[in-house]
Amino acid sequence: ETGVTQTPRHLVMGMTNKKSLKCEQHLGHNAMYWYKQSAKKPLELMFVYSLEERVENNSVPSRFSPECPNSSHLFLHLHTLQPEDSALYLCASSVSSGGFNEQFFGPGTRLTVL
Amino acid sequence: QQQVKQSPQSLIVQKGGISIINCAYENTAFDYFPWYQQFPGKGPALLIAIRPDVSEKKEGRFTISFNKSAKQFSLHIMDSQPGDSATYFCALAHGQNFVFGPGTRLSVLP
Repeated sequence: ETGVTQTPRHLVMGMTNKKSLKCEQHLGHNAMYWYKQSAKKPLELMFVYSLEERVENNSVPSRFSPECPNSSHLFLHLHTLQPEDSALYLCASSVSSGGFNEQFFGPGTRLTVL
Repeated sequence: QQQVKQSPQSLIVQKGGISIINCAYENTAFDYFPWYQQFPGKGPALLIAIRPDVSEKKEGRFTISFNKSAKQFSLHIMDSQPGDSATYFCALAHGQNFVFGPGTRLSVLP
């Protein structure tokens, strides 16, 4: 596979469930990102990992827990979510440099919290 | 408070027409200004990007115009095609820090 892949593509979960989203990049990048995309709102940056270390956490509730075991894989662990957390969760990757770091996005996981 | 204001929210253009989407920003700490294109069921993909020391950049039918003093930049799509129908996001970029606009849904009628 090429590019950035995300699994699952769709997820429905109850508020008491625990689930995980998976992202994998095949581009040799060393930075990975989680974004939340809600209808009619800008993409919200949630987490940034560079060289497997978290460098950004934009006041995301603790019910979202990221994990980056290596430069190719990124997880978002979910627990006790709320209905307002329903959204498209996008993963992206880039090189980590001082110039323009084009972000390559995966297709997203459509999450519905009941 | 939105760091990037994008307009219009939606746009309908006839095939062959010009599509124009505008963005305005306040924070000058960013050094790249990209536009991303997103089709339904797909993640956003980079369309074109510009640095603030350049006033215009053209790639095929797509042109970015940048007005540093006004803190505005725009995307022009010439000879718009139905295949251009998508949601377009402007963004401010500095290293790994990206701030995206709310998006413009473009529909090009055949």
